[in-house]
Amino acid sequence: SQQGEEDPQALSIQEGENATMNCSYKTSINNLQWYRQNSGRGLVHLILIRSNEREKHSGRLRVTLDTSKKSSSLLITASRAADTASYFCATESHGSGNTGKLIFGQGTTLQVKP
Amino acid sequence: DVKVTQSSRYLVKRTGEKVFLECVQDMDHENMFWYRQDPGLGLRLIYFSYDVKMKEKGDIPEGYSVSREKKERFSLILESASTNQTSMYLCASRQAGGTDTQYFGPGTRLTVL
Repeated sequence: SQQGEEDPQALSIQEGENATMNCSYKTSINNLQWYRQNSGRGLVHLILIRSNEREKHSGRLRVTLDTSKKSSSLLITASRAADTASYFCATESHGSGNTGKLIFGQGTTLQVKP
Repeated sequence: DVKVTQSSRYLVKRTGEKVFLECVQDMDHENMFWYRQDPGLGLRLIYFSYDVKMKEKGDIPEGYSVSREKKERFSLILESASTNQTSMYLCASRQAGGTDTQYFGPGTRLTVL
């Protein structure tokens, strides 16, 4: 089952602009994570935000979490051509125990033009 | 650095063949996962293992089985490959009780003819 729904599916911006991606989910969660995937490669973890946190920063990344709306956003500031990739949100449901089982969204494809 | 390796980057098999996809991690992680990734569907969990010889079905286990005889190795088996199993297969590992981050291998793109 697909827990995360991401919006937009595709995003094209100029270098230097900010990119915002949104993720909605359906069930109570322990945490929400964002991953990045370069074309044809594996996923790389970017940032994790726990259910009791509202905002988190890591370098040019800013993640917000609104548990009342069951939604999260990922903001990449001052984008670079190297940020071109697909971005996925993933949620660990509240009832998943310690299995670490994640449910991934369908992803947002970001293109940053030089 | 955590390293997760997968036995092949690209694989071409014929319908009906038995296919083995191998995944090895070098960080002594308890949890390991197999996903498949298809356009428009994102990542879907096939099977996961939370310890040696322990496994649980994910969301789409039909047509697949797994083996975890050693902690570092998690194998995905397609008993009789079919064309609808053409996909990108991704393996991941995670330390139980750790940071909850999953570490992914580079993926195996499997084509079944």
